[in-house]
Amino acid sequence: DGGITQSPKYLFRKEGQNVTLSCEQNLNHDAMYWYRQDPGQGLRLIYYSQIVNDFQKGDIAEGYSVSREKKESFPLTVTSAQKNPTAFYLCASSSDRGLANEKLFFGSGTQLSVL
Amino acid sequence: AQKVTQAQTEISVVEKEDVTLDCVYETRDTTYYLFWYKQPPSGELVFLIRRNSFDEQNEISGRYSWNFQKSTSSFNFTITASQVVDSAVYFCALSEGTQGGSEKLVFGKGTKLTVNP
Repeated sequence: DGGITQSPKYLFRKEGQNVTLSCEQNLNHDAMYWYRQDPGQGLRLIYYSQIVNDFQKGDIAEGYSVSREKKESFPLTVTSAQKNPTAFYLCASSSDRGLANEKLFFGSGTQLSVL
Repeated sequence: AQKVTQAQTEISVVEKEDVTLDCVYETRDTTYYLFWYKQPPSGELVFLIRRNSFDEQNEISGRYSWNFQKSTSSFNFTITASQVVDSAVYFCALSEGTQGGSEKLVFGKGTKLTVNP
């Protein structure tokens, strides 16, 4: 089945530690996105990529980093500079380099908590 | 700047009741797109509907219907004869057509719907 796979489902970070969230898609989509969801809040865009080897900051990029070396993969690293990392992280993709009318396909998310 | 308001934080109904989820948006663009997504307890958001600013026709899909009114900047979502499986968080979202692509998509804060048996 085509879709987006996020792993792990739950992740715990120690203070000062960098952690990486995985996102893989087999939909052959050009555009990929990382969102952060806090309880009772909407989704906020962290980073996005419209093509391989290129990515752009979203609204809340500080303390995060990404790479897009392959079309299928868009990993997100939560660095130690992100002081409030506890949240639900969602990866998404869309098919046509992310045009405004494109619907997004989402993964099932990763819950990150701080130990 | 574009904005989406979902004033209802949580709604609780009994199975078979009809329920309407409100969505009010703000934009200065004449070309824009409105979306509804469903987030069940599993966490994955699922696309429900997309509507562009030039198409004010209401849409019905089974028990779901959407009422788009540009005059009131609203895009409300009604579930008829609700079922327990409809329990989820529902997000309304707005994307401006001439201000970029999907990276400009703005989500409301969501409405948590609980349907009790």
